[in-house]
Amino acid sequence: EDQVTQSPEALRLQEGESSSLNCSYTVSGLRGLFWYRQDPGKGPEFLFTLYSAGEEKEKERLKATLTKKESFLHITAPKPEDSATYLCAVQGINQGGKLIFGQGTELSVKP
Amino acid sequence: DVKVTQSSRYLVKRTGEKVFLECVQDMDHENMFWYRQDPGLGLRLIYFSYDVKMKEKGDIPEGYSVSREKKERFSLILESASTNQTSMYLCASASQLNQPQHFGDGTRLSIL
Repeated sequence: EDQVTQSPEALRLQEGESSSLNCSYTVSGLRGLFWYRQDPGKGPEFLFTLYSAGEEKEKERLKATLTKKESFLHITAPKPEDSATYLCAVQGINQGGKLIFGQGTELSVKP
Repeated sequence: DVKVTQSSRYLVKRTGEKVFLECVQDMDHENMFWYRQDPGLGLRLIYFSYDVKMKEKGDIPEGYSVSREKKERFSLILESASTNQTSMYLCASASQLNQPQHFGDGTRLSIL
């Protein structure tokens, strides 16, 4: 069964303290892996798509990487405005348009 | 930028009512999706549509139906609302099935 597990569930950082969020997945043929950011009371906001192992994408303080079994979202020198829930989702090649989401990591960055 | 607009941010309805949730996207996307998001369960796909008048069941279609009469509009219908359908409902659209899905801000629906 296709599955996505994110860890940790919650992460508290001090401003400037770099860290990584993990997304482990099992899927029968990966079509794509997607990272989203979700602020309270809002819909998920698209961040990155990764399609193949070894691929990396960067945006400001965020960098996403992909292996055959997991993806990491690295946050370098985070700021309080990076506080949000980060969601990972995978799409299998036999799943049509369906995304399978993880439970998310709730990130809190304190000044 | 893609804009996905959901008609209501908050909605309160009674059990047994027929409820309509509306979603409109402005990017001429072929594909549209309805999810619900619940604490501890994450986002789960209810239905999706890859073309006008076409629909496919997601993981939890029971108690729901959908309508896509125009490309830009995708409606979710709760045929007879029940309390276990209290949830956050999110609509999304994508240009192609392997492209990122872009979400609206959701409708928080309470069924009393």
